[in-house]
Amino acid sequence: GAGVSQSPSNKVTEKGKDVELRCDPISGHTALYWYRQSLGQGLEFLIYFQGNSAPDKSGLPSDRFSAERTGGSVSTLTIQRTQQEDSAVYLCASSFGGRVDNEQFFGPGTRLTVL
Amino acid sequence: AQSVTQLGSHVSVSEGALVLLRCNYSSSVPPYLFWYVQYPNQGLQLLLKYTTGATLVKGINGFEAEFKKSETSFHLTKPSAHMSDAAEYFCAVSSRSNDYKLSFGAGTTVTVRA
Repeated sequence: GAGVSQSPSNKVTEKGKDVELRCDPISGHTALYWYRQSLGQGLEFLIYFQGNSAPDKSGLPSDRFSAERTGGSVSTLTIQRTQQEDSAVYLCASSFGGRVDNEQFFGPGTRLTVL
Repeated sequence: AQSVTQLGSHVSVSEGALVLLRCNYSSSVPPYLFWYVQYPNQGLQLLLKYTTGATLVKGINGFEAEFKKSETSFHLTKPSAHMSDAAEYFCAVSSRSNDYKLSFGAGTTVTVRA
C-alpha cells in the first residue's frame, strides 16, 4: 500500500514569506508526527497529533510555526515569516496509534530552503 | 529528560566486515530504544526496537542490538556488511511516559568499501 507522502519535495522561498508543507499519512493511521532535520540541530520532534487534536506541541520552535490536521488525515505545517534558520528537511510520520508498539512510518520529507 | 549519544559521525567498513554502531542513552529510567536507517533521499525506516523482554533484539536486514542497562547502551551490530548497508543510522529513545515522542541521536553515516 501507499506510504506516507509529503509535498512539495523541495521548497525554496524568500525570507519573510509564509510556507505550507503537506503530509498525507498512511490510511487508517490515527497518529501523526512532524519532525525537523537540520544540520545544526539533528532530528527534532515538532508536534504530535492524535486524530485532529494535538496533545503535544512542545517541539514547535516559535509561534511562527503552526500545524493542523483535518478529517483525521492530511496535515499541514505552516511557517509564517520564514527565517534562514528555518531551512531544514521537514519529516512527517504516522502510526496506527500513538504508542511505542505502533511503528512510526516516515515520509521522504520536504526540503525547505529559505534564501 | 532523556538524550541519546551516538559515538562516531562516520564509520567506514569493508564489505563482509562487522558493522558496529554505538549508542548510549541518558535517562534515570530505562527508555524505549530504537534504531532507524535513512537511505539517500528516503524517509527513515525502523530497523529494530527494544521495549521490554529479551535484551537482544533482532531486526531487519540482519541487524541486531543489545540493551545493556548497566552500560546505558544500545549498540547496533551486523556480522557482515553489505554494500547496500551504506546509509545513515539513527539511534532514538522515547520515555515510558511519552512513548510517542522520539528523541534522536545525531546519526552515524556508514560507508562500505568494496
